[in-house]
Amino acid sequence: DADVTQTPRNRITKTGKRIMLECSQTKGHDRMYWYRQDPGLGLRLIYYSFDVKDINKGEISDGYSVSRQAQAKFSLSLESAIPNQTALYFCATSDLTSGRPREQFFGPGTRLTVL
Amino acid sequence: QKEVEQNSGPLSVPEGAIASLNCTYSDRGSQSFFWYRQYSGKSPELIMFIYSNGDKEDGRFTAQLNKASQYVSLLIRDSQPSDSATYLCAVNPAGNTGKLIFGQGTTLQVKP
Repeated sequence: DADVTQTPRNRITKTGKRIMLECSQTKGHDRMYWYRQDPGLGLRLIYYSFDVKDINKGEISDGYSVSRQAQAKFSLSLESAIPNQTALYFCATSDLTSGRPREQFFGPGTRLTVL
Repeated sequence: QKEVEQNSGPLSVPEGAIASLNCTYSDRGSQSFFWYRQYSGKSPELIMFIYSNGDKEDGRFTAQLNKASQYVSLLIRDSQPSDSATYLCAVNPAGNTGKLIFGQGTTLQVKP
């Protein structure tokens, strides 16, 4: 079973619609992240959460909101989708080991198309 | 200036050659450095991480870090066609122990 799951895997929606992308993890990590990936731009951080009560904006948070419902669940919402939010979205998790950050584990991604 | 910069490529090498991928970063206080491999349409997976100046080897992969020059590289020896992918450099900035800043990635093509 996958440690980090994302639903849906693919979604096509229309401009102005509200959409939610969900992420669940069984790794027991307390840190969770949402990224978007566009061709040639690498991964850009949208929001991150270090625990249920700690949510932070990343470099491109405008137009997005998040909810950390539980340690294992972190959802991303687009309140009113627009075409330039068409991208591949990844959820990731991590923890600290010996005070150092360790790798982030990525979910399989959600391909979102906004028409 | 971007915080983490990579040449987008594509970098093309023949099978069996050494592929050299480079990354520079702007935050001099950065402490941890990661290389991820991403196949087309798939999620990134970690190949190497490095914290200290110098070289770190793992099989055919060597990560090199030079903090004075703010430069990190990944060498892939005996390159195989299966190494063809996009390689993402990621840096943990100073003062934030959980956040990673990613470069745009370098596409590597290994030709048989």
